[in-house]
Amino acid sequence: QVTLKESGPALVKPTQTLTLTCTFSGFSLSSTGMRVSWIRQPPGKALEWLARIDWDDDKFYSTSLKSRLTVSKDTAKNQVVLTMTNMDPVDTATYYCAREEWYSSVGTRALDIWGQGTMVTVSS
Amino acid sequence: DIQMTQSPSSLSASVGDRVTITCRASQSITWYLNWYQQKPGKAPKLLIHAAASLQSGVPSRFSGRGSGTDFTLTISSLQREDFATYYCQQSYSSPWTFGQGTKVEIK
Repeated sequence: QVTLKESGPALVKPTQTLTLTCTFSGFSLSSTGMRVSWIRQPPGKALEWLARIDWDDDKFYSTSLKSRLTVSKDTAKNQVVLTMTNMDPVDTATYYCAREEWYSSVGTRALDIWGQGTMVTVSS
Repeated sequence: DIQMTQSPSSLSASVGDRVTITCRASQSITWYLNWYQQKPGKAPKLLIHAAASLQSGVPSRFSGRGSGTDFTLTISSLQREDFATYYCQQSYSSPWTFGQGTKVEIK
């Protein structure tokens, strides 16, 4: 059974750096083709894709947030870490991590398993 | 970045109604289009991948169509548990992008 769970601080102050950890089980990020993404959702708003790390350590970022984001992995611990610098109240959101599945029969990918999300509030 | 636009933003419907949601991409994404369902306070759930492939365990009343830039998600007979917000997402090119969501409410 594949599961993912996000952890991190519930409250951060403006200008601080946020560090979130996604701990997963049921798959290995060292397996060819495996990927994990981070997505966030401000209260009452739409989903926003943030970043992705691949099995081969390739990394991809949101164009608008690229300068503030870093994603890394610890394969031995089955963890993916997201850091976001210079936090602002507009970054208040629920942050999700999700596994990306490869559907070989159709040659596409989708976020098939999601964590429960962790709410982060940015306030002084 | 590829922009994804959903319509309508919200709709009201009754149990048993046929409901269709549209998603348009700012450029061709062939069939690299996924649909998710999200209920309040819950993580999104994958419904359809590759524009028309039903995810395992998803009821057959859900269906997807389209290719290129225009896509639809149809619920053939709306059930009470289908009242939720639906998002499309492209996986054609990074960065992945989502539509703004369509909220399906009870009439």
